[in-house]
Amino acid sequence: AQSVTQLDSQVPVFEEAPVELRCNYSSSVSVYLFWYVQYPNQGLQLLLKYLSGSTLVESINGFEAEFNKSQTSFHLRKPSVHISDTAEYFCAVTPNRGDAGNMLTFGGGTRLMVKP
Amino acid sequence: KAGVTQTPRYLIKTRGQQVTLSCSPISGHRSVSWYQQTPGQGLQFLFEYFSETQRNKGNFPGRFSGRQFSNSRSEMNVSTLELGDSALYLCASSSFGPSTREQFFGPGTRLTVL
Repeated sequence: AQSVTQLDSQVPVFEEAPVELRCNYSSSVSVYLFWYVQYPNQGLQLLLKYLSGSTLVESINGFEAEFNKSQTSFHLRKPSVHISDTAEYFCAVTPNRGDAGNMLTFGGGTRLMVKP
Repeated sequence: KAGVTQTPRYLIKTRGQQVTLSCSPISGHRSVSWYQQTPGQGLQFLFEYFSETQRNKGNFPGRFSGRQFSNSRSEMNVSTLELGDSALYLCASSSFGPSTREQFFGPGTRLTVL
């Protein structure tokens, strides 16, 4: 079984400041890791994913996350946030076995609030 | 390519009734998963269907059921509704290739049980 912990339920930050949203996971098997973003009254959108290879993954809108296997973490960072980044962010994992299917285990979410 | 669509977007039911929610995946996607999102429990996996077979099931009572049709469209059913079933129900589809595993989510169906 897997579990995901997002250590901060809310993160207030001023516009143009850097931000880090923390994610730690626990699993008895190797996993793939994801960050999803949810804007109000919408579904989830994939922000970035780690499947294999380089442990640093980047999104097209300036977010990045680094997979740290020894610390079982996948923290999300952005060097300079915009008002439009205000949303809820979810970290998720799924076993990387081919027969495991697509069952995602989510963290509790972090509400990022960007203030002007 | 059209995204994942879910119907209806909003539903109001009363306790004891049953409800059916529908999900149309992205064309070509054969895996459909369902999730329940509530303020108290967060996002929880309900079940996954692949090629009309349930492949995975979350820890929900038997009142929650689903199925997938040959065109990959999926429905989930909740019988004997309880107040605690009020939630946003999200459907996600995936092509489930060996190097993807990305799930694309629909906008959800917001169910309110009175």
